[in-house]
Parts: sequence; structure tokens; C-alpha cells
Amino acid sequence: GAGVSQSPSNKVTEKGKDVELRCDPISGHTALYWYRQSLGQGLEFLIYFQGNSAPDKSGLPSDRFSAERTGGSVSTLTIQRTQQEDSAVYLCASSLVRTANEKLFFGSGTQLSVL
Amino acid sequence: SQKIEQNSEALNIQEGKTATLTCNYTNYSPAYLQWYRQDPGRGPVFLLLIRENEKEKRKERLKVTFDTTLKQSLFHITASQPADSATYLCALEAGRRALTFGSGTRLQVQP
Repeated sequence: GAGVSQSPSNKVTEKGKDVELRCDPISGHTALYWYRQSLGQGLEFLIYFQGNSAPDKSGLPSDRFSAERTGGSVSTLTIQRTQQEDSAVYLCASSLVRTANEKLFFGSGTQLSVL
Repeated sequence: SQKIEQNSEALNIQEGKTATLTCNYTNYSPAYLQWYRQDPGRGPVFLLLIRENEKEKRKERLKVTFDTTLKQSLFHITASQPADSATYLCALEAGRRALTFGSGTRLQVQP
């Protein structure tokens, strides 16, 4: 597609439920990133994928968070047993490759609200 | 610990003036530094990248400086317009990790 696509744009869930957030990166981009942004805060790195390499999961805040990238394209971020502190905007980005000088292209994010 | 600091207070300026935003960092030795713009309800959009051996980079009304001794980058918007109102984020490469972002500074340009 023309840009990074994320769905849903908004998700309201109850505490304790599982949620899945989807990211469709720009075609041909080998690197895919997940960040989250709490109200008025900066972007917090969660995880990135580069080609067929093992993902860098160093930013995942707990084992309730997981992500996968199927076929080197679409990615799903799963949050199990959601907590109120998980409420945030979850942003996905992609880049042509994962290098130090590569610019990121972001989607518009998924606003997650945990009640 | 590693830190990226941007002024959390909003910057309010008059149309036509130059806006200057600051990004300070500690315990990083980045080879590159990037600036992004974020509008409400949208993801950040890339603006400029500057390398450690570049002192200054320009793109239209935008100018970025990078002082690796002071560990600081300045982002300037000349002849600012109300349409420049947004949050501006700096981002650093930290070794082999993904880009690390500052919390951003909100710029408000008054007509």
C-alpha cells in the first residue's frame, strides 16, 4: 500500500481481555517496529523485526506482550490479560532496512483504552 | 542511564518568527540524529537526518544543527507559519537498537 496501515484505529476493551493489533507495513520494507505512546509522552520502543532475523524484543514491558510477523509482511501485536496501564496509542512503523540512518514511516496508530 | 531531553513546555511564537527547539542527550554516542513532526492523532513523520560529522543540515525553512561535544541538536523553523504548529520529536540511534525518541516539544505558531 501507499503507507503503513494499522487496524483497528480505536479499541476499547475490558481489563483482563486479550487484544490483537494489526500492522500492514509499506510493501518492500524489511524492517517493522512497534512503539507505544502514552498521553503526552514520547514513544516507547517495544519490538522490531528485520527480515528473517530474530526480533529484538528488548522493549516489551512484560510477558503479556508478544508480536509476530508473518511472511515478512503483516505484523500482529498481542496483549494478553490487558491492564489499565496498557492504555496508550500503539504505533507501528516500517523502514526499507534496519540501519542507523534509515528513516521510519509510521502508521496512524491504534488507540487502546482498557476499562 | 541514557536520556534524551526535549523541553516539555510548549513553545509559543508569532507567525514569521524563527522557532528553535532543543534536543539534549546523555550517555549516547549517536552517529545520526533524526527529527520528526507529529500532528494530533497521527504518527510521526520524518523531517531531517543529520550525521555526526555534519554541523548543520538545511531543508527549505528547516535547519538542524548537531553538536556532539555539547550533546545537543537544535531544530530551527524560519519564517514560521500556523501550519507549522505540531509536536517535534528528536530521535537517536543507540547502537544496534531501534530509534529512541525524545518526548517531543509542542510548537504553537500564532497568526
